[in-house]
Amino acid sequence: EAGVVQSPRYKIIEKKQPVAFWCNPISGHNTLYWYLQNLGQGPELLIRYENEEAVDDSQLPKDRFSAERLKGVDSTLKIQPAELGDSAVYLCASSDRDRDTDTQYFGPGTRLTVL
Amino acid sequence: AQKVTQAQTEISVVEKEDVTLDCVYETRDTTYYLFWYKQPPSGELVFLIRRNSFDEQNEISGRYSWNFQKSTSSFNFTITASQVVDSAVYFCALTGESSYKLIFGSGTRLLVRP
Repeated sequence: EAGVVQSPRYKIIEKKQPVAFWCNPISGHNTLYWYLQNLGQGPELLIRYENEEAVDDSQLPKDRFSAERLKGVDSTLKIQPAELGDSAVYLCASSDRDRDTDTQYFGPGTRLTVL
Repeated sequence: AQKVTQAQTEISVVEKEDVTLDCVYETRDTTYYLFWYKQPPSGELVFLIRRNSFDEQNEISGRYSWNFQKSTSSFNFTITASQVVDSAVYFCALTGESSYKLIFGSGTRLLVRP
């Protein structure tokens, strides 16, 4: 079974530029999460989707961050405009809460560097 | 509020030594789940184990074992006969009935030297 797929793996941009990250969850997983991981810290949740509905985006900085999961499968996280402090690893995870309560499986992440 | 504490920032051992990674948690939930994840240099978080709050039975999987003690709110992870490939950052995490969020500790970096 394929795991969570993310692209790109690495992205370097200049501040004020836009950037987008893509995630394809494990097949059949209805719940998708985006996490932010700063260096030397554990991941922190940005947003959670149940199918195509964002059920919790309270930690998402909505002035510059946006996300979508239009068909309840793939998801895109966007930052516009990027700031220096956005440099971090952005992790996507998915779970099948009906079958495997609360076990989240993570992708390899996208390492963003903002210059 | 839920909280996970991993007091050991970094541990260095020589190959074949046993090593224990500590995890202490706080929660008011009656039903909760504890996890361990491994993050190798490649960056992907690899799921290792999930334990629910009603199952205090310790678990062994090959060289890995986990000791869950509700009385001390701890969920420690032991690697027996460590190998260089065990070098990674290990995260303990918690979620509960009051929130689906995975609350992570700050991680313990394990370095296994040849």
